[in-house]
Amino acid sequence: DIQMTQSPSSLSASVGDRVTITCRASQSISSYLNWYQQKPGKAPKLLIYAASSLQSGVPSRFSGSGSGTDFTLTISSLQPEDFATYYCQQSYIIPRSFGQGTKLDIK
Amino acid sequence: QITLKESGPSLVKPTQTLTLTCTFSGFSLSTNGVGVGWIRQPPGKALEWLALIFWNDDKRYSPSLMSRLTITKDTSKNQVVLTMTNMDPVDTATYYCAHESSFIPRRFDPWGQGTLVTVSS
Repeated sequence: DIQMTQSPSSLSASVGDRVTITCRASQSISSYLNWYQQKPGKAPKLLIYAASSLQSGVPSRFSGSGSGTDFTLTISSLQPEDFATYYCQQSYIIPRSFGQGTKLDIK
Repeated sequence: QITLKESGPSLVKPTQTLTLTCTFSGFSLSTNGVGVGWIRQPPGKALEWLALIFWNDDKRYSPSLMSRLTITKDTSKNQVVLTMTNMDPVDTATYYCAHESSFIPRRFDPWGQGTLVTVSS
């Protein structure tokens, strides 16, 4: 099984800040890495797939990078609606696995 | 437009069997490559992948829960059913179903709204 580890677990930032979240896989997953955003009481929403491809309709301030075992999600200029929890997920093998989440809140 | 919706009991007793139904529209589970997955989330905790079923009836399970899970599909009804036996209070969670894209790399999109299941006597 592949373990996904995110850092940090929580992050406080201000509107307009640039924020980076890291995800590390326990073995190489090529670019089979997805990022999801989850707001309280809502289902997760796909932001980034294949490590760096922006899902349709997602603002361009979101970007992803990485391959192999190390990946990052960057929000270039935080907006009020971006305060949420973010999860990475590998689709390289089954069982699928998620990171433990990074909660982004307002400083 | 793809939509999914979970349904099932909101409360089950310990040792009972949970049956959840995912009813979807906008795609067919007979289309090559398509899958439907189940993911759960205990209150305040992270997402946990449970099971996947594919267009060809290939079924895959979380190793830690495999002995308790069964996933099936009814293509004619556009439904996927997940059963989990021997429920315990630690199984209290919101249960989501999600469409897994046939495109590589695969991803879960979209998700259903989720259904909260509480396990309590």
